[in-house]
Amino acid sequence: GENVEQHPSTLSVQEGDSAVIKCTYSDSASNYFPWYKQELGKRPQLIIDIRSNVGEKKDQRIAVTLNKTAKHFSLHITETQPEDSAVYFCAASKGSARQLTFGSGTQLTVLP
Amino acid sequence: SAVISQKPSRDICQRGTSLTIQCQVDSQVTMMFWYRQQPGQSLTLIATANQGSEATYESGFVIDKFPISRPNLTFSTLTVSNLSPEDSSIYLCSVGENGYTFGSGTRLTVV
Repeated sequence: GENVEQHPSTLSVQEGDSAVIKCTYSDSASNYFPWYKQELGKRPQLIIDIRSNVGEKKDQRIAVTLNKTAKHFSLHITETQPEDSAVYFCAASKGSARQLTFGSGTQLTVLP
Repeated sequence: SAVISQKPSRDICQRGTSLTIQCQVDSQVTMMFWYRQQPGQSLTLIATANQGSEATYESGFVIDKFPISRPNLTFSTLTVSNLSPEDSSIYLCSVGENGYTFGSGTRLTVV
């Protein structure tokens, strides 16, 4: 089955700096890659996703890149703010309505 | 995206008992997914629930421990049976159509 690895497990950045979280996946049939933000005690919230026919997608301060050949994808957050502090999960799926396999998560802390 | 109502939000249960978690979706969906999130950990898929057929369980999860019902296209239940302290986790339902969304989660504590 699919295996998703996520790095780093913790990341601290100064407010205003950029943060990058990286994930690799094992199953070349995976074609949908969402990113979730989970604040303490809350449900995971989808923040951005990308499909395998696209190499990059951007939404304001957040961007995701996908390298299908290398089977890795990354989340980029620019101009970080304290409210970006949360756990971020990457995931992979073989379709947008199929089950997700999650990475292990990254605790992002933005220092004011 | 779909809106999911999940309940209960939390419960404290005695070992050996069972807890049934309900998820109601505001639109018809083909598949519903049940995940477990142990404290400080990632989300692990328990099973996929299709309407009108048996749920499909992931490795390490069995129907006797986690029976699932899916009576229609908007509703599903997950029961965690014969509870032990190791079952203390957050349980979440999810749907993938029109963007993946999660229910608010059920925090289960087994004492």
